[in-house]
Amino acid sequence: QEQLDQSGAELKKPGASVKVSCKASGYEFTDRYVNWVRQAPGQAPEWMGWINPYSQETKYADKFRGRVTMTIDTSTSTAYVELRSLRFDDTAVYYCARLGTSHGFDLWGQGSMITVS
Amino acid sequence: DVQLTQSPSSLSASVGDRVTITCRASQNIRSYLNWYQQIPGKAPNLLISLVSSLQSGVPSRFSGSGSGTEFTLTISNLQPEDFAFYYCQQSFNTPRTFGQGTKVEIK
Repeated sequence: QEQLDQSGAELKKPGASVKVSCKASGYEFTDRYVNWVRQAPGQAPEWMGWINPYSQETKYADKFRGRVTMTIDTSTSTAYVELRSLRFDDTAVYYCARLGTSHGFDLWGQGSMITVS
Repeated sequence: DVQLTQSPSSLSASVGDRVTITCRASQNIRSYLNWYQQIPGKAPNLLISLVSSLQSGVPSRFSGSGSGTEFTLTISNLQPEDFAFYYCQQSFNTPRTFGQGTKVEIK
């Protein structure tokens, strides 16, 4: 069964960093890009960027460039996103999502609630 | 960035109704438009990709159409489990962007 399992909720102070993990199972991890999408309370999802697990090439949204790093551990089929210099408005649910062959995000993690307070 | 504008922002409908949600893009995105359903507290779920391709397991009462800058999601014979938020999303270029969402509520 294809699955993305994310790390748990975290409470952070402004200025701190957070690193969220996303462990893939049930499919060939290096075959599909992993995207990170966040969703602030009551808001639409917001794309942060993607990483190619095969080449480890990344593409970040301009909004996050300089504050975000996406990495991969192919030995454990796990993707990570680290966000630095956290602000109150970074409070959101952070999702990993697989890029499907039809260009949509066809498999999502359960989400990781990050609260900055 | 491609801006996606959904309308309406919310709608009330009854079980059995047919509802249509529109998504307008700020530029031509050809057929690179996807639709997601989101139940509060859950991750979004891909319903339709590339305008009209239904994902496996998605009921046939969901359909999509359009091209270029105007797209629609239609739900025919609305069921109780369809009351949720719906988002369009473009995969034409980066940054990937989402519409602001449409809440489908029970009348």
